[in-house]
Amino acid sequence: QSALTQPASVSGSPGQSITISCTGTSSDVGSYNLVSWYQQHPGKAPKVMIYEDNKRPSGVSNRFSGSKSGNTASLTISGLQAEDEADYYCCSYTDSSTFDVVFGGGTRLTVL
Amino acid sequence: QVVLVESGGGVVQPGRSLRLSCAASGFTFSSFGMHWARQAPGKGLEWVAIIWYDGSKKYYADSVKDRFTISRDNSKNTLYLQMNSLRVEDTAVYYCARGYQHFQHWGQGTLVSVSS
Repeated sequence: QSALTQPASVSGSPGQSITISCTGTSSDVGSYNLVSWYQQHPGKAPKVMIYEDNKRPSGVSNRFSGSKSGNTASLTISGLQAEDEADYYCCSYTDSSTFDVVFGGGTRLTVL
Repeated sequence: QVVLVESGGGVVQPGRSLRLSCAASGFTFSSFGMHWARQAPGKGLEWVAIIWYDGSKKYYADSVKDRFTISRDNSKNTLYLQMNSLRVEDTAVYYCARGYQHFQHWGQGTLVSVSS
């Protein structure tokens, strides 16, 4: 299964909004409402920020939101803060006869 | 709170075996599916394997199929990953994580380095 496609890097200034895209296929992103997004700071474990396309776990700031159109999912971070600087990965369940999930290659967010 | 602690990583030669453990606490371990995922140095995340809450189903990424075995002991609240025939490309931080279609909680990871 091929990895989902994310931009290698995005940047924004404090207070601004940014969007990270995640492009898959009709066999993964486009087939299920099961896209999730993970934030990872250097040397730390990933943390789920969005699951099932647009649901936010308890404790995650409402500045983080998820959406999807066709085979492309998006993570939007509004009101950028310095602590948002991290790597972000999308993930999707795939259309498999068994079980499979696929990650995107990751996007480095820089807060200028 | 949910705590997952991996152990068992280290340096191993190609072709050898290693068993990782993940000790779980803060939740009813026997009620949740569990994953192993990994991250090679400087690279992205890769799903490795999943086991159902009762151990009845197990699935693997193609890259580890027939070499790795996921298992669990619900009486000990512990998840395992038996890794055989290790390759240089298996070098990574290995994470355990709770969930099914998404990874709800992650451990801090354990580093496995395969090198001659």
